[in-house]
Amino acid sequence: GAVVSQHPSRVICKSGTSVKIECRSLDFQATTMFWYRQFPKKSLMLMATSNEGSKATYEQGVEKDKFLINHASLTLSTLTVTSAHPEDSSFYICSAREGPGYNYGYTFGSGTRLTVV
Amino acid sequence: DQQVKQNSPSLSVQEGRISILNCDYTNSMFDYFLWYKKYPAEGPTFLISISSIKDKNEDGRFTVFLNKSAKHLSLHIVPSQPGDSAVYFCAARGSGSARQLTFGSGTQLTVLP
Repeated sequence: GAVVSQHPSRVICKSGTSVKIECRSLDFQATTMFWYRQFPKKSLMLMATSNEGSKATYEQGVEKDKFLINHASLTLSTLTVTSAHPEDSSFYICSAREGPGYNYGYTFGSGTRLTVV
Repeated sequence: DQQVKQNSPSLSVQEGRISILNCDYTNSMFDYFLWYKKYPAEGPTFLISISSIKDKNEDGRFTVFLNKSAKHLSLHIVPSQPGDSAVYFCAARGSGSARQLTFGSGTQLTVLP
């Protein structure tokens, strides 16, 4: 089946630095990728939707200058948390779809635990 | 405003019995519903789904029921096994061009041996 690889699985960074999280579709071309954030014991909150070769669409309340999303190829999307602060500490998960049509499923990465100290 | 709600944060069931997890939604434009299982520090794993034009879908021990008039769906697991212990999320697919998923807050299922 479809596999999405997310890296790193966990990262600790200092306040003010930037962190990049990668999401790769290993055996299919992902025209659409989604980035989620999960707070402890909470739901997965959609942050943004990215389509290959175009700008990401951010959900209301998500700062696009802080959470930079790049979907430069059909197999790779990256999320960069810029000037990270402790409140950015969270579990980030990506998801990929092979196409926009009705029958295309959603494959999730294994997530990235970000801790900002 | 939460469009997908799972009102029970936790559920404990004895091994071999039925587990019933519930989910309510408010947006009538959702056209597809999915259930995911998730362990801590891992991504969600797809379990079963149902189209809005159906009222039941079954896959092995898992059955999902959809009541469109009540905007309610449920996941039945029979028989429940200790390995089923995890957080279960229901998700609803929107009708927008990207077909984003909206997730409920999850229910922690514990199956007791």
